[in-house]
Amino acid sequence: KNQVEQSPQSLIILEGKNCTLQCNYTVSPFSNLRWYKQDTGRGPVSLTIMTFSENTKSNGRYTATLDADTKQSSLHITASQLSDSASYICVVSDRGSTLGRLYFGRGTQLTVWP
Amino acid sequence: EADIYQTPRYLVIGTGKKITLECSQTMGHDKMYWYQQDPGMELHLIHYSYGVNSTEKGDLSSESTVSRIRTEHFPLTLESARPSHTSQYLCASSSGTQNTGELFFGEGSRLTVL
Repeated sequence: KNQVEQSPQSLIILEGKNCTLQCNYTVSPFSNLRWYKQDTGRGPVSLTIMTFSENTKSNGRYTATLDADTKQSSLHITASQLSDSASYICVVSDRGSTLGRLYFGRGTQLTVWP
Repeated sequence: EADIYQTPRYLVIGTGKKITLECSQTMGHDKMYWYQQDPGMELHLIHYSYGVNSTEKGDLSSESTVSRIRTEHFPLTLESARPSHTSQYLCASSSGTQNTGELFFGEGSRLTVL
């Protein structure tokens, strides 16, 4: 069973609307959680990083939240644009080694329609 | 934009051929990685390197091999390609001076073995 579960698997919204993507994890111990955006045919790009003590972090129209007690994170996209169409991947890092192993979710495929 | 490059972007070859996927980065990062990504699935780590002359197998068993003769270069080789090797291969790097888990990805090499 994957230790990082994302929902929904896919999502279609209209341009200008808001949406929220979910990430639940069981990784322990916990170091940090990143959200990546992967455009079709490209490599993932980091949007934001959340550490244990952080609850909310914004990057433009993207706002990530973290509840370390319930092991849940969300990525909220405000006023969506066509360019937001992409896969959004949640990645959790543990503290089990100096390298910090990474656990990947399967991503949420977001499509923004005009 | 990350300075990490992969070639070729797309490759279609016949069964039994030897192929090398190239990956180069100009950021001076110590750590480099190869991931395999299939549609709708999470990224799987197949090889990683801490630095020159250091290579390790990742979580997913792979028949490929890698080498790290120079800091900036981390090629992946398949001696005899099979249809089961058809996949997207993503190269990534990260700085050895921080353990925040941020990966800088190349744009990927999509391999199709007929």
